[in-house]
Amino acid sequence: GAVVSQHPSWVICKSGTSVKIECRSLDFQATTMFWYRQFPKQSLMLMATSNEGSKATYEQGVEKDKFLINHASLTLSTLTVTSAHPEDSSFYICSAPQGSADTQYFGPGTRLTVL
Amino acid sequence: AQSVAQPEDQVNVAEGNPLTVKCTYSVSGNPYLFWYVQYPNRGLQFLLKYITGDNLVKGSYGFEAEFNKSQTSFHLKKPSALVSDSALYFCAVRRGDDKIIFGKGTRLHILP
Repeated sequence: GAVVSQHPSWVICKSGTSVKIECRSLDFQATTMFWYRQFPKQSLMLMATSNEGSKATYEQGVEKDKFLINHASLTLSTLTVTSAHPEDSSFYICSAPQGSADTQYFGPGTRLTVL
Repeated sequence: AQSVAQPEDQVNVAEGNPLTVKCTYSVSGNPYLFWYVQYPNRGLQFLLKYITGDNLVKGSYGFEAEFNKSQTSFHLKKPSALVSDSALYFCAVRRGDDKIIFGKGTRLHILP
């Protein structure tokens, strides 16, 4: 099956710094990628849709200026958490559909800890 | 709005027994429903989906799910549980704009 990778798998940063998380589709092209956030014992919350060649679309309540998304190529999307705070600590997961939107492949996730 | 609910945070089942993980949905129109599984340190994996057709959907690893329109349910089932089935299971629905929205997840513990 298709593979989606994320880098880094975990990161620890100081409050106020910015952190970039990469999501790559390794063996297929994805004009769209999705970013999710997963809290402990809670569901995956869809944050935004990354669109190659155009601006990302954000879900209601997600701060665009805080979570910057760039879809640099057909195989790469990046999520930058700007001016990170401890409440941004979470597990961030990306996914990319192959073919129809029903078939999504998920990255292994990135654990962000903000001190 | 399209949504799914998983009423159980955790389900414990003895190995070899049948298992059921519950999911109910709330959608307008025809539902597109999914089950995913999340193992530790691994990405979510697709198990099965219901679009149309037979109410009993068969998926990966011996799992199946039954779509019940009258009860608005899409419960995940397996006839005989394995210890390796222990994981976090998510029910999901496709929203009108084709995005996938997840339930809160149910942790399944299979006891040896």
